[in-house]
Amino acid sequence: DVVMTQSPLSLPVTLGQPASISCRSSQSLVHSDGNTYLHWFQQRPGQSPRRLIYKVSNRDSGVPDRFSGSGSGTDFTLKISRVETEDVGVYYCMQGTHWPNTFGQGTKLEIK
Amino acid sequence: EEQLVESGGGLVQPGGSLRLSCAASGFTLSSYNMNWVRQAPGKGLEWVSYISGGGRTIYYADSVKGRFTISRDNAKNSLYLQLNSLRAEDTAIYYCARGYMGYWGQGTLVTVSS
Repeated sequence: DVVMTQSPLSLPVTLGQPASISCRSSQSLVHSDGNTYLHWFQQRPGQSPRRLIYKVSNRDSGVPDRFSGSGSGTDFTLKISRVETEDVGVYYCMQGTHWPNTFGQGTKLEIK
Repeated sequence: EEQLVESGGGLVQPGGSLRLSCAASGFTLSSYNMNWVRQAPGKGLEWVSYISGGGRTIYYADSVKGRFTISRDNAKNSLYLQLNSLRAEDTAIYYCARGYMGYWGQGTLVTVSS
């Protein structure tokens, strides 16, 4: 199975400051169809997960433009340009290239 | 409004069975591949199973293979997960998720305990 490794696992951030989460996969996430199925999810306390970014860098509808995704191959990053209170929660990366699909361990973002 | 609503969770003894349902509204379920994802209490997300739009392609996580069965009834706009031979470690909130996990339901809690 593809192992997804996120870092850091805990991310205290001052309001208005940037934040960055790394996600590394144990093998390339480039699919034979040429796409890279690496997605990012946010889970606020007590809520269902919500997808923020799909296929590395595509922002979902309604997601603020302070969220951005980048990367390729085995190395990916989620960036928040200026953290707001509503960004508190756990962030997960997930690969959908290989079966079984696998999630990272999650990164808990809190306000410092 | 597009919605996914899970149901069927509850308390069940080890070795028991449950059938989870996911009712879709506001969109045509047959147009989408679907997934089940679970989250044990205080833990991260675990993908459980996938079914293609027409139901011909199915995948399972090794942890549930041979015990869980995914199915769908596109005429009823519904997705299902049959859970058999349940174990304590299957205790979790079970979510249905559409497509590339672009839309999730609110989840249904399954508790396996004697």
